[in-house]
Amino acid sequence: AQSVAQPEDQVNVAEGNPLTVKCTYSVSGNPYLFWYVQYPNRGLQFLLKYITGDNLVKGSYGFEAEFNKSQTSFHLKKPSALVSDSALYFCAVRVLHSGAGSYQLTFGKGTKLSVIP
Amino acid sequence: DGGITQSPKYLFRKEGQNVTLSCEQNLNHDAMYWYRQDPGQGLRLIYYSQIVNDFQKGDIAEGYSVSREKKESFPLTVTSAQKNPTAFYLCASSISPYDEAFFGQGTRLTVV
Repeated sequence: AQSVAQPEDQVNVAEGNPLTVKCTYSVSGNPYLFWYVQYPNRGLQFLLKYITGDNLVKGSYGFEAEFNKSQTSFHLKKPSALVSDSALYFCAVRVLHSGAGSYQLTFGKGTKLSVIP
Repeated sequence: DGGITQSPKYLFRKEGQNVTLSCEQNLNHDAMYWYRQDPGQGLRLIYYSQIVNDFQKGDIAEGYSVSREKKESFPLTVTSAQKNPTAFYLCASSISPYDEAFFGQGTRLTVV
């Protein structure tokens, strides 16, 4: 089955330290991968995506993600965490939706990032 | 400014009532989506539409209905058949199903 998993419900990191939010995927064919961030009671904001090309993708607010085909992972990273980075982070993958034979975004369950001052 | 507008932000429904959540976009996107978000469960796809006058069921369509009469609008009706409608509902749009989706600010529906 095609899916995306975020193995950590919560990640805590000290301000100024590097952060990593993990994501693994299982799809047939070439994956299209995305990261989104959600602040409380708000919609999701797009951070970055991997379609093809360079395995290191740079996105908004200093975030980047590394695509690793052999490990089927797409971990989100930032060199120096800010308190304002505290939010809920979602990984998503484009999958073939069996109902209509079209591609849709499937989301992981989210990882809550807390940056401690 | 271009974007997606969901209204209302908060909605209260009595049991047995139908309610309609509004979603409007001025991004000229063809594809539009409705997701439901529950704590600890991520986002689950309710319905999606790739073009005007066409829409498809997502993973949890039971108890919901949609229409897509205009490119800009994709309203979601939560019917009385939806047994547990209390949730945060998110509308999104994208240029195509292959591109990133842009989200509205959400509607929080509570059954009272």
